[in-house]
Amino acid sequence: SQQGEEDPQALSIQEGENATMNCSYKTSINNLQWYRQNSGRGLVHLILIRSNEREKHSGRLRVTLDTSKKSSSLLITASRAADTASYFCATEGSGNTGKLIFGQGTTLQVKP
Amino acid sequence: KAGVTQTPRYLIKTRGQQVTLSCSPISGHRSVSWYQQTPGQGLQFLFEYFSETQRNKGNFPGRFSGRQFSNSRSEMNVSTLELGDSALYLCASSWGGQGGNGYTFGSGTRLTVV
Repeated sequence: SQQGEEDPQALSIQEGENATMNCSYKTSINNLQWYRQNSGRGLVHLILIRSNEREKHSGRLRVTLDTSKKSSSLLITASRAADTASYFCATEGSGNTGKLIFGQGTTLQVKP
Repeated sequence: KAGVTQTPRYLIKTRGQQVTLSCSPISGHRSVSWYQQTPGQGLQFLFEYFSETQRNKGNFPGRFSGRQFSNSRSEMNVSTLELGDSALYLCASSWGGQGGNGYTFGSGTRLTVV
């Protein structure tokens, strides 16, 4: 399969705690993106990190990228019940504009 | 600013029939990509169109086809439907360059084949 791996597959935490999700991929990339999906609806873009970047922040989100290990992590700090969703990483390769390769996703449950 | 619009939202078809799904991208976006999401295979790339030309194609059989119109709206067609084609079909739009600010997805069309 061309798809990457995400772990854990499922994560359950209490409100206020931090959530960390990891993603590994197989091919060289131009960028890596994280998306959220609520209950089988459309995907919402969260953050994009380019292959020459190592870390990026957006509000309560922090993404890291290690191209030597072909891995990325998404940290959600001070989680809220509204963060309950599935989270997917997706890679876009050089020369493959418009084609995202998705990981299998992490299902996050945040308990109030 | 209107988002990405997919129609219809839900569809039930019988094996052997064909179906056409529509996607209207965000105004100004020239790229439309299509994805199939199933519990077993996850999110898989179908194809991408930019300025009416197919620029990328995934590993799906020829029963899956698409096109893009001059106004950037896109359609995908699945002929001779099989039970395994039951899935959530998502389209995504972007300005067309690589990465940018990511892709904007529609809410999807849930296709059930019976």
